Amino acid sequence: LAKTTQPISMDSYEGQEVNITCSHNNIATNDYITWYQQFPSQGPRFIIQGYKTKVTNEVASLFIPADRKSSTLSLPRVSLSDTAVYYCLVGDRYSSASKIIFGSGTRLSIRP
Amino acid sequence: ETGVTQSPTHLIKTRGQQVTLRCSSQSGHNTVSWYQQALGQGPQFIFQYYREEENGRGNFPPRFSGLQFPNYSSELNVNALELDDSALYLCASSHTRGGRDNEQFFGPGTRLTVL
Repeated sequence: LAKTTQPISMDSYEGQEVNITCSHNNIATNDYITWYQQFPSQGPRFIIQGYKTKVTNEVASLFIPADRKSSTLSLPRVSLSDTAVYYCLVGDRYSSASKIIFGSGTRLSIRP
Repeated sequence: ETGVTQSPTHLIKTRGQQVTLRCSSQSGHNTVSWYQQALGQGPQFIFQYYREEENGRGNFPPRFSGLQFPNYSSELNVNALELDDSALYLCASSHTRGGRDNEQFFGPGTRLTVL
């Protein structure tokens, strides 16, 4: 199972672009990279998923280099409401939840 | 379309007691997974149910058990509660065992405190 490594915490200011990088050196060929967001006392919420290159949706962008050993979640123009814990997960797209491992995540704090 | 709901919101028990937590999956979802999240940690997978059968289990002792009903709602039962069982218990539902791109929809959780 691919293990992920993320920074424990990050700070930024409103209106800035925030990039959170995740390392997954042992990623397998069939593995996808998924990011979740979690607010205090709530369950995690799916943000974005990708396999290679770049994926963009209405919330974020995900950049994945050619070797796929890392990925970067990019949040454009953050606001105070983006303060949350962000989890990077790596796993087979069609595997059961038992293959999905949450690490400790990155605690993002946005300041005015 | 209703999301994932869990009950109760909060619960206080004492060591040795038993507890049952409940989860209603999102409409159209046939798979439910349960996670334990200790304070400051990421969610840890307990087990998953697919069409009323257990479909994978994490590193949790047998006193953690579950059920899934024909309407795909689910229960998590914990016997002989220990202090370390104090945590946020999350339920997540998905459309299939793997889900749409493995996307799971989480409920708000049940905060269990064991004294």
